[in-house]
Amino acid sequence: DAGVIQSPRHEVTEMGQEVTLRCKPISGHNSLFWYRQTMMRGLELLIYFNNNVPIDDSGMPEDRFSAKMPNASFSTLKIQPSEPRDSAVYFCASSFGSDGYNEQFFGPGTRLTVL
Amino acid sequence: GDSVTQMEGPVTLSEEAFLTINCTYTATGYPSLFWYVQYPGEGLQLLLKATKADDKGSNKGFEATYRKETTSFHLEKGSVQVSDSAVYFCALTRNTGGFKTIFGAGTRLFVKA
Repeated sequence: DAGVIQSPRHEVTEMGQEVTLRCKPISGHNSLFWYRQTMMRGLELLIYFNNNVPIDDSGMPEDRFSAKMPNASFSTLKIQPSEPRDSAVYFCASSFGSDGYNEQFFGPGTRLTVL
Repeated sequence: GDSVTQMEGPVTLSEEAFLTINCTYTATGYPSLFWYVQYPGEGLQLLLKATKADDKGSNKGFEATYRKETTSFHLEKGSVQVSDSAVYFCALTRNTGGFKTIFGAGTRLFVKA
């Protein structure tokens, strides 16, 4: 059984470029989360969806960041334009249920480097 | 606001030593508490959880007890192995009309053979 799938695994881009990160949650899960992990700030929740609807995007750092979930099996996190301070590992996670008390299953992450 | 505080790492132990990683939390209401583990190059995996006061979560020899009176959820293992070397995250989730999971900063554990 495939877990959460993220692509690409590594992305190197130049400042000002658009970056799109992709996530396929586990089939049957109805909650999806995007996190960012850095040494300085640890693991931060950026946004989460329930039944494809964004519920809380208060962690999205600024308007350069946007996330979509057009259907139950796909989500994207876009950064436009990218900046060096966006360099981090971005994780997608999914879970079943809407109350937050169930296990979250994490993908392997996308390591983003913005030069 | 809600927060989770973990002991700073790294923690370095010899194989078969006893492990404690302290975790305390601040939250209103009755959060659920979790320990996740992250191995190098991977995403986080759930290690154990507890959903109400005095519950004990356990898995793979690790255990933690939800202590509401001390707002703590310390992780313990009686005899660590080299394969336990990883980063451990304490986390809480509280239903706020949506919900939000707050993670601690993580504690890196090194186990020497």
